[in-house]
Amino acid sequence: AQSVTQLDSQVPVFEEAPVELRCNYSSSVSVYLFWYVQYPNQGLQLLLKYLSGSTLVKGINGFEAEFNKSQTSFHLRKPSVHISDTAEYFCAVSEGTGRRALTFGSGTRLQVQP
Amino acid sequence: GAGVSQSPRYKVAKRGQDVALRCDPISGHVSLFWYQQALGQGPEFLTYFQNEAQLDKSGLPSDRFFAERPEGSVSTLKIQRTQQEDSAVYLCASSLGGQGARGYTFGSGTRLTVV
Repeated sequence: AQSVTQLDSQVPVFEEAPVELRCNYSSSVSVYLFWYVQYPNQGLQLLLKYLSGSTLVKGINGFEAEFNKSQTSFHLRKPSVHISDTAEYFCAVSEGTGRRALTFGSGTRLQVQP
Repeated sequence: GAGVSQSPRYKVAKRGQDVALRCDPISGHVSLFWYQQALGQGPEFLTYFQNEAQLDKSGLPSDRFFAERPEGSVSTLKIQRTQQEDSAVYLCASSLGGQGARGYTFGSGTRLTVV
């Protein structure tokens, strides 16, 4: 069985500061990794995904994440955040062997302050 | 349509009432997924369809939960005899065949409140 741990439930940060949201996973097979963003009363929007190849993945809105197999991590980063980045962020994993369901972490609330 | 459409957006049900939640996937998407998101939690997988076939229903929490997709397009998630613990946002996602989780598009969800 696979699982996802997002260690930080809330991350407060000032506008234009850098931010890192942490994600660790466990799985006995190869995985695909995802970061989603959820704004209030909305569905999930895909920020970026790692399927294979380069371990540094760039996504929308200036976000990027790095897949680290040895540390089973997929941390999300942004060098300079904006007020509009305030939202809930979810890390998710899917087994690369064929099961199509996603397993999500419990989420990290990013609160950007002016 | 351009996106995944879910209705209603909000539903208040009295405990014991039956409810039906609708998902209209992106045209041409053969795969359809339902997730349950409790307050303050990440979404949890409920069930998966490929066309009209329900291939995985391992996440359905009880036999009060039932999903169908009779013509391989629109899907309905039905909850019988609702209970307070059923209060959550129910999310639907669709993807092209073969892409699985790599190509999900999520709908905006239905927020169910059981009183």
